[in-house]
Amino acid sequence: EIVLTQSPGTLSLSPGERATLSCRASQSLGTYLAWHQQKPGRPPRLLIYAVSGRAAGVPDRFSGSGSGTDFRLTISSLEPEDFAVYYCQQYATSLWTFGQGTKVEIK
Amino acid sequence: QLQLQESGPGLVKPWESLSLTCNVSGGSVSSSAYYWGWIRQSPGKGLEWIASVYYSGTTYYNPSLESRVTVSVDLSKNQFSLKLTSVTAVDTAIYYCARHGRRQLGGGYFDYWGQGTPVTVSS
Repeated sequence: EIVLTQSPGTLSLSPGERATLSCRASQSLGTYLAWHQQKPGRPPRLLIYAVSGRAAGVPDRFSGSGSGTDFRLTISSLEPEDFAVYYCQQYATSLWTFGQGTKVEIK
Repeated sequence: QLQLQESGPGLVKPWESLSLTCNVSGGSVSSSAYYWGWIRQSPGKGLEWIASVYYSGTTYYNPSLESRVTVSVDLSKNQFSLKLTSVTAVDTAIYYCARHGRRQLGGGYFDYWGQGTPVTVSS
């Protein structure tokens, strides 16, 4: 099983600031890495696929990068609606796994 | 627009079986490009993939749950189902159905999710 470790657990920032979230995999993923956003009481929403591809309707302030085992999700300038929990997800194997999540909260 | 909707009992007694169905609209479970999966989220915790099923009946299971899980697809009803046996309190969670593409076609990530259905295991 590929283990995904996200850091930090919580990120306290103000609107307008830049957020950088990290996801580290226990083995190489190639480009098989996605990011999801989840707000309270809502299902996850796909943001990024294949490391850096933005899903339909996702604002360009969201960007993904990385390779191998180290990946990042960057939100260039936080909007009020961006405060949420973010999960990375790998699909390099047929045992799909998620990271434990990073909560982006208002400082 | 593809929509997925879970249905099933919200309360299950310990050691009984949990059965959930995901109804798909705006798309077809018969598509050869996609798998249909189940994911759960325990209170205050992260996301755990349970299983996925293809229109042909091909299935993938999380080894940690495989002995208790069965997933199936009903092409005539455009829906797919999950059965989890011998449930205990640790199975209390929100259960989501979701779609993911085939890795061979550039997919594999979950791109559409149902709203989720809460399931509590309690006597």
